[in-house]
Amino acid sequence: DAGVIQSPRHEVTEMGQEVTLRCKPISGHDYLFWYRQTMMRGLELLIYFNNNVPIDDSGMPEDRFSAKMPNASFSTLKIQPSEPRDSAVYFCASSQGTVNQPQHFGDGTRLSIL
Amino acid sequence: AQKVTQAQTEISVVEKEDVTLDCVYETRDTTYYLFWYKQPPSGELVFLIRRNSFDEQNEISGRYSWNFQKSTSSFNFTITASQVVDSAVYFCALIITGGGNKLTFGTGTQLKVEL
Repeated sequence: DAGVIQSPRHEVTEMGQEVTLRCKPISGHDYLFWYRQTMMRGLELLIYFNNNVPIDDSGMPEDRFSAKMPNASFSTLKIQPSEPRDSAVYFCASSQGTVNQPQHFGDGTRLSIL
Repeated sequence: AQKVTQAQTEISVVEKEDVTLDCVYETRDTTYYLFWYKQPPSGELVFLIRRNSFDEQNEISGRYSWNFQKSTSSFNFTITASQVVDSAVYFCALIITGGGNKLTFGTGTQLKVEL
């Protein structure tokens, strides 16, 4: 079975540019999560969706960040405009059902903002 | 609020040694789930195990074993006869019922297994 698929794997762009990260969850999973990992702050939950509906976006750092899930098999995390402090590894994860099910993570997108 | 503490930032062992990674958690909820994830140098996060708060049985899977003790709020992970391929960052995580699906991660323990 295919796991969570993220693209791109690496992204290098200049400050001020728009960045779009993409995620395809595992088929049949009804929860989708976006995380950010940095050395300073570790793994942080940014936002999560249930059945394509955003449930909790309290972790989104500021208005420059937005996330969408137009259908059950696709989600995007957008940063506009990007800043150097946004440099991090961004993970997408999905799970099925209730809290006791493990979240399965994609390989992550390593984002560098110059 | 929930908290997960992994006090060991980095551990170095020689191959074939046994190693235990500590995890201590805090929650007021009586129903919760604990997880361990592995992050190898390639960067992906790999799910290893899940344990619910009502199941204190230890679990063994090959060279891996987990010791869950509610009395000390600990969920420790032991690797027996460590191998170089075990080198990774290991994360302990906690999720409570009624808290949405929000995982609280520890800061991770970097395990280095050397020849």
